[in-house]
Amino acid sequence: ETGVTQTPRHLVMGMTNKKSLKCEQHLGHNAMYWYKQSAKKPLELMFVYSLEERVENNSVPSRFSPECPNSSHLFLHLHTLQPEDSALYLCASSPSDSLSSETQYFGPGTRLLVL
Amino acid sequence: GQQLNQSPQSMFIQEGEDVSMNCTSSSIFNTWLWYKQDPGEGPVLLIALYKAGELTSNGRLTAQFGITRKDSFLNISASIPSDVGIYFCAGQSSGTYKYIFGTGTRLKVLA
Repeated sequence: ETGVTQTPRHLVMGMTNKKSLKCEQHLGHNAMYWYKQSAKKPLELMFVYSLEERVENNSVPSRFSPECPNSSHLFLHLHTLQPEDSALYLCASSPSDSLSSETQYFGPGTRLLVL
Repeated sequence: GQQLNQSPQSMFIQEGEDVSMNCTSSSIFNTWLWYKQDPGEGPVLLIALYKAGELTSNGRLTAQFGITRKDSFLNISASIPSDVGIYFCAGQSSGTYKYIFGTGTRLKVLA
């Protein structure tokens, strides 16, 4: 049990669909992250939220829209995705709200397939 | 931009053997993390390193934060079949939330 949960675990969607990924952390952490993991590529950081404020947007296309209503929940809203967006989307959290050395804990991921 | 080179890319070893893998960076990090990822799951944190020269163990796993702060090593002793998976290193520089991840070392253990 990592303390970070993600739903759904698997998602198949068409290019015209709108869907949302949900992440919840039960660790009392202040920072949350979205990563994209594609085959044979390093994890790509997408967004970082600290105390519900977005502090990092790593040149992600606007068809991905994050939302952080509180420090325990993080959403990734998806619309008009492309097949190349198919990947494992990982959520992570870390304890601190400051730019310091902190460990990250990952959720199990959502395996997304865009048809 | 920052890059992390992780090697080897894959390893096939016999059960009971020791394993070593490493990551090198083009820039200095102040945190190194090592993760293991099983198929279809998220990475699980194995060891965290915060100081240059630090040597930390977690059971049969030992990791070191290189003195130059540009590299880190992970050793697994007496490997067992459940060690199979992909091992990732991740580094963080001072003053940023960003973690840079290596491309992973895929480990297979032959019984």
